[in-house]
This record gives sequence, structure tokens and C-alpha cells, in this order.
Amino acid sequence: GNSVTQMEGPVTLSEEAFLTINCTYTATGYPSLFWYVQYPGEGLQLLLKATKADDKGSNKGFEATYRKETTSFHLEKGSVQVSDSAVYFCALQGYKLSFGAGTTVTVRA
Amino acid sequence: DTAVSQTPKYLVTQMGNDKSIKCEQNLGHDTMYWYKQDSKKFLKIMFSYNNKELIINETVPNRFSPKSPDKAHLNLHINSLELGDSAVYFCASSQGGTGGRSNSPLHFGNGTRLTVT
Repeated sequence: GNSVTQMEGPVTLSEEAFLTINCTYTATGYPSLFWYVQYPGEGLQLLLKATKADDKGSNKGFEATYRKETTSFHLEKGSVQVSDSAVYFCALQGYKLSFGAGTTVTVRA
Repeated sequence: DTAVSQTPKYLVTQMGNDKSIKCEQNLGHDTMYWYKQDSKKFLKIMFSYNNKELIINETVPNRFSPKSPDKAHLNLHINSLELGDSAVYFCASSQGGTGGRSNSPLHFGNGTRLTVT
């Protein structure tokens, strides 16, 4: 079945540091891939998505590229801010949306 | 103008009680979902409705019963609450359903924090 594995947290960074959150997937076919973000006390919201191999999703300075050869969809941001502190979820759209376990990111000023 | 709204935001109750959580979306979506998020932030899908028809029913105790009176509403009723039901419950909606037919993203409500004592 479909599944998503993302790096465990928590991750703590200083402002302006580079952030990478690894995500790999197992799936049949060519599913769409997503990153969702959950800010404290809120629901999840879509951060970015990619629907086919080699697509790059981007939003708010975050990027992720759909890599079919490595079955990965790693999230990156070149310079994080305190406001990026949140829980990040990688997700795969198959019969249902399968979420990774979430990675808690804390950015310190 | 909240897109997906759920009530109440907090729910504290005793074991054995029956409670309901309501969800409404004004996005015109045809598919709605209930997710459970545990204390470690792990998300588990419970139910999904497409045009008022149940299409996903994961392994959830029979004490949980969803009801969708129309496309814009999906309520969750829980009977005989147990300590293990304590969690944050999220409602979500999307257009086009599941089954790989759509890559439309999900829109989530802000959650209902249920505490069973």
C-alpha cells in the first residue's frame, strides 16, 4: 500500500538557517505529493504540491521537487524565520491522502 | 467567511458520555473528511463522504458515527466516550473526492480538542 516516511523531529534552527525535511514515499502509479503545514492551534493548510515527476512545488520560500527515481519529495527553505515554526507534514494522494508522521520545526531568533 | 468551521473548539467531558462535533464548509466542495490527531501529531483518517455518501470508513469503533445531512455538513457523534478518545479531531473538505481521481488539496478546520476525563 501507499505510505510516506518523513524525518523525525523535533528540528530546532536559528533564524536565517537552511531547513531540509526529508520525505520518501512508497506508492503504485504516480500519485500527487503534498506538503502541509500546521501552525500552533490551527488546522493543516496546504504549503505546496507537485503532481508529476520532476515537478517543483514552491510557496512562501519553500520548495520541493518530485523525484521519481529516488521516490522523494524533500522540503527545503533557504532562510527560515521565527514565523516558520510549525509542524510540517508530507502527504501522498492515492485512494486516500496518506500523511507522514509530521516534523516539528522550531526557529529561534 | 471561514471556509471550514467546526464546533466546539474545546470539549471536555466524562467517560461514558455521548457528544457531537459539527462541521460546515462554505467552499462548495463535494467531499468531506474526519481526521483524528493524537498527542504525537500523528494524523489518522476516520471517515470520508462524497456527495453525502460514505466512501472511506477506516477501522474506527462503532461508537463513532458520522452523519452528512448535505454536502456542506459532516457531523461526528461519539457514544460512550473513553479515555483513549482524547485527541484533536479535524474536519476537512476537498473537491473531486479521493481514489486518485483528484489532486485537489484538503482544506482543514481548526480542530476540536476533545478531553475525556
